[in-house]
Amino acid sequence: DAMVIQNPRYQVTQFGKPVTLSCSQTLNHNVMYWYQQKSSQAPKLLFHYYDKDFNNEADTPDNFQSRRPNTSFCFLDIRSPGLGDAAMYLCATSRQLDVWAEQYFGPGTRLTVT
Amino acid sequence: AQSVTQLGSHVSVSEGALVLLRCNYSSSVPPYLFWYVQYPNQGLQLLLKYTTGATLVKGINGFEAEFKKSETSFHLTKPSAHMSDAAEYFCAVTSNRDDKIIFGKGTRLHILP
Repeated sequence: DAMVIQNPRYQVTQFGKPVTLSCSQTLNHNVMYWYQQKSSQAPKLLFHYYDKDFNNEADTPDNFQSRRPNTSFCFLDIRSPGLGDAAMYLCATSRQLDVWAEQYFGPGTRLTVT
Repeated sequence: AQSVTQLGSHVSVSEGALVLLRCNYSSSVPPYLFWYVQYPNQGLQLLLKYTTGATLVKGINGFEAEFKKSETSFHLTKPSAHMSDAAEYFCAVTSNRDDKIIFGKGTRLHILP
């Protein structure tokens, strides 16, 4: 009965080699979020989709892109990963865009950059 | 700007003892406050939230938190710790003027047998 699924759970990529992380949801929620969480730090919002509308956080590097081809799937593309991009990447969904709405998180993808 | 501070990156309590995880926030407008829990190898899960109304909020798994405006706090408590409570706990804040929630750095709760 998994609700937010992230694949892969662990990803190793080389410095500068493009990588894509995947998120899918069975909740039919309108909103999907991507967070970056570095070791011992708070999750940091990168961007979100409300339906097909994309909202990028002002301080998200251009190196990070996202695609949402349909309601169920959302992808995080890192065009040229640097060592500083090693982190846990969390996908989350919510039914509505209201900030008080509960967010449902996937288990995360841990990215290693060698 | 909103911010949240969690006191103690690691907290250890004995099984059956009181759990107290501290969270203080900074907000220029009435806040919405959340506690999320992350069990090993799982995503974050909402424990409880405060938006308006009663300041004592009850959540899942026997946890509760009290919003204290005068102290700008939203501490999480549970009367009796269970081994299954071992996890990382995140406090978060937002408001109706914001478009995202701000998470604290998390507190890892260890339960001692």
